[in-house]
Amino acid sequence: EVQLVQSGGGLVQIGGSLRLSCTASGFTFDDYAMHWVRQTPGRGLEWVSGISWNSGSIDSADSVRGRFTISRDNAKNSLYLHMHSLRPEDTAFYYCAKGPYTRSWFDHWGQGNLVTVSS
Amino acid sequence: DIVMTQSPDSLAVSLGERATINCKSSQSVLYSVNNKNFLSWYQQKPGQPPKLLIYWASTRESGVPDRFSGSGSGTDFTLTISSLQAEDVAVYYCHQYYSSPQTFGQGTRLEI
Repeated sequence: EVQLVQSGGGLVQIGGSLRLSCTASGFTFDDYAMHWVRQTPGRGLEWVSGISWNSGSIDSADSVRGRFTISRDNAKNSLYLHMHSLRPEDTAFYYCAKGPYTRSWFDHWGQGNLVTVSS
Repeated sequence: DIVMTQSPDSLAVSLGERATINCKSSQSVLYSVNNKNFLSWYQQKPGQPPKLLIYWASTRESGVPDRFSGSGSGTDFTLTISSLQAEDVAVYYCHQYYSSPQTFGQGTRLEI
C-alpha cells in the first residue's frame, strides 16, 4: 500500500523558515516524480513544486520560486520542502503528492500539514 | 498560466440520479504529439486529501467505481457520475498538467 507520511509544519513568523518532510513507503520511491501542492479556503488547490525521480528536473510556481526549494533523498525515501522568507499568503495546508512524472496527475497524496505564517 | 474554470460551483443531485460537472481551460490541454488531453479529476471529502479519479481526461484510476467517467477534449471537459451514491458527496476538482504551472479548477461542491 502506498503511504506518504508528512511531518513538519506549524506556526512560523513572517520572514521565517520551515521545512516540510514526506516519507514514502509501499512503492519504489526513486522511480517516481514527487510534488508539493497547497490548499487554502480562498485560493483553492495550488501546485507548488515538483521534482523528477533523480532530481534532474525541478519546477516551481512563480509565487514560491526563489523562496521555496524542493529536494529529495532517495536513500531515505523522503521528499522535502524548504521554505524561506515566509509570507502570510503562504499559510495553507501543504500536501506531498506522488506523480508518475513531473508533468502528470497525482495518484497518491499525503495527509497534509498546516503551515501558518503570522506575526 | 492556464485558467481552469469549473461549473457549476455547487450542485445538488438526488440519489441514483446523474451528476455532471464541467471544466473549461483557457487554452487547449490536448498535446498533438500523443493526442492526449493533459487533464485529471479529483474528489475531496472533508478532512481528507484529494483522491485521483480520472487522468488523461477519460482514464479511470484503478479502484475508482465505474459510475465515474470523464470526457471532453481540447478546452472543454466533463466529469459524470452516472448514479449518485451517498458517499459521492464531496468537492470535485479538475487539474491541467499540460503546462507549468499546473493549475486546478476552483472546485464544485456536490450535495445530495
